[in-house]
Amino acid sequence: QKEVEQNSGPLSVPEGAIASLNCTYSDRGSQSFFWYRQYSGKSPELIMFIYSNGDKEDGRFTAQLNKASQYVSLLIRDSQPSDSATYLCAVITGYSTLTFGKGTMLLVSP
Amino acid sequence: DVKVTQSSRYLVKRTGEKVFLECVQDMDHENMFWYRQDPGLGLRLIYFSYDVKMKEKGDIPEGYSVSREKKERFSLILESASTNQTSMYLCASTKGQGPQYFGPGTRLTVL
Repeated sequence: QKEVEQNSGPLSVPEGAIASLNCTYSDRGSQSFFWYRQYSGKSPELIMFIYSNGDKEDGRFTAQLNKASQYVSLLIRDSQPSDSATYLCAVITGYSTLTFGKGTMLLVSP
Repeated sequence: DVKVTQSSRYLVKRTGEKVFLECVQDMDHENMFWYRQDPGLGLRLIYFSYDVKMKEKGDIPEGYSVSREKKERFSLILESASTNQTSMYLCASTKGQGPQYFGPGTRLTVL
């Protein structure tokens, strides 16, 4: 069974701080990794994807991938209350099928 | 912008009814997926399709079937709805091995 593990949280950070969300995966052959944001009652929204080891930055978001450690993370700089949501890590485990973690709830307090 | 639409945001059905959930995408994606999402269980894959007329079982196909007659449309069918199928149903699509894009979801309640 291919697994994706995330800490369920909640992760609480003050406004303006850096939020660090982590994810580990079991399938060593996985090549593509995705982060989704999901507000309560809404559907997941793609934030970032990363395919290569290292960092990928997009605005306030940075995805980090370490394939040797089977670890992917998402950093959110200058966190805002509007970033409060559940963040889902997803890994391609088939041709295009994704295995999702159960998500980490992030709470950003003003 | 990718657009994935689902036929209903909220649906209430009775036990034993046949239920159709429709999903349409406008980006010419060949791959389409149906998930259900439940508290504490996360997103679980029900069925997926890589092409018209093709379907593959996901992790929890029991009690569901699907239909893909046109590339842009993927339907999920509950042959005889049961209370344990009360859930949020999410459709997604993708091209190749790219990111999946989700529709707004259908919250189904089976009484």
